[in-house]
Amino acid sequence: TQLLEQSPQFLSIQEGENLTVYCNSSSVFSSLQWYRQEPGEGPVLLVTVVTGGEVKKLKRLTFQFGDARKDSSLHITAAQPGDTGLYLCAGGDSNYQLIWGAGTKLIIKP
Amino acid sequence: SQTIHQWPATLVQPVGSPLSLECTVEGTSNPNLYWYRQAAGRGLQLLFYSVGIGQISSEVPQNLSASRPQDRQFILSSKKLLLSDSGFYLCAWSAGTGAHPHFGDGTRLSIL
Repeated sequence: TQLLEQSPQFLSIQEGENLTVYCNSSSVFSSLQWYRQEPGEGPVLLVTVVTGGEVKKLKRLTFQFGDARKDSSLHITAAQPGDTGLYLCAGGDSNYQLIWGAGTKLIIKP
Repeated sequence: SQTIHQWPATLVQPVGSPLSLECTVEGTSNPNLYWYRQAAGRGLQLLFYSVGIGQISSEVPQNLSASRPQDRQFILSSKKLLLSDSGFYLCAWSAGTGAHPHFGDGTRLSIL
């Protein structure tokens, strides 16, 4: 059974600080997606990475897919209160089904 | 553009009562459709997915069922709700197998 472990489960930091969220597995994924979810809403896709070692940037967010396509990280520079939310990673398996991490709840305090 | 509608937004039901949650998609044809359940602040558990009318795959054994009576309509049902059915239910669609899902705004279901 493929599993995705996200860490930390919860993170509360001050505005302006940097942070990194991790998504790890012992399995190889064909792709990996990051989503952000706000309370009372569905998750919204931030990025998809498909190539080992791939790095994608979305403004202050930097996403990296591990060389072996087993892990990924999300780095936020100079976090802002608007970054608050639940960050979910999801890996695509060989059957194109998504395996979901349990999420990282991020709170950015002004 | 494509949109997904899910209702109701919140629902409070007594134990043993029936359930019907509806989801419709507009602006696309023959989408893959999904029902997920999410525990508070946690990841998503896939309950059902459908690749076409009348085609339903169940991922988790439970007292819930799903139906797809029309191409862009997906319904989640139960004959008798349990306390453990409480949660946040999300409907989603994708353009096909391997495409990322687009989610509705969810239904918060509370069983009393």
